[in-house]
Amino acid sequence: DAGVTQSPTHLIKTRGQQVTLRCSPKSGHDTVSWYQQALGQGPQFIFQYYEEEERQRGNFPDRFSGHQFPNYSSELNVNALLLGDSALYLCASSLLTGGLTEAFFGQGTRLTVV
Amino acid sequence: DQQVKQNSPSLSVQEGRISILNCDYTNSMFDYFLWYKKYPAEGPTFLISISSIKDKNEDGRFTVFLNKSAKHLSLHIVPSQPGDSAVYFCAARPANDYKLSFGAGTTVTVRA
Repeated sequence: DAGVTQSPTHLIKTRGQQVTLRCSPKSGHDTVSWYQQALGQGPQFIFQYYEEEERQRGNFPDRFSGHQFPNYSSELNVNALLLGDSALYLCASSLLTGGLTEAFFGQGTRLTVV
Repeated sequence: DQQVKQNSPSLSVQEGRISILNCDYTNSMFDYFLWYKKYPAEGPTFLISISSIKDKNEDGRFTVFLNKSAKHLSLHIVPSQPGDSAVYFCAARPANDYKLSFGAGTTVTVRA
């Protein structure tokens, strides 16, 4: 079982650019959530996808958008990057159908905006 | 607003002794509480959880205690081992809701 995989592991972008991060959930999981972890803080919920739709959204601007594909994998897109978007972006998967389970996290993508 | 708080940013403990990590929350809708452990360059790993209908849950060396009236939970690690050195996050969510609210984390260092 590969677990939750994220790509890329590290990324450097310039202010104003756009970035796409990718996530493959743990086998058998149908729900993907994205979190932003700034240095010295706990992860902050961005949004969650289930059945290819955004089910919940945290307190993040519309510059943050996402997508879930039929195979349950997901993308996080951030437009018009700001220096403050520099953070570790974590993807978590879980199984919604049939009941809730604990969320399993990937290793994260370290985004640096310069 | 920070609905989950871990007021101790760090904890140092001798190998073999007990580690006690504390967590407070403000949202009375939280129904399920989890602890995650994180090593550098890795994602958080689920450790142990507790439902609001219980006050204690034990799994090997790890025990979580929940005091709903005080909106407080704690994680006990007995005995502490060098491999336990990591950042520990407390997290909580309402019932039937996947949105986790995390604390800022406590860095545990186990000394030989």
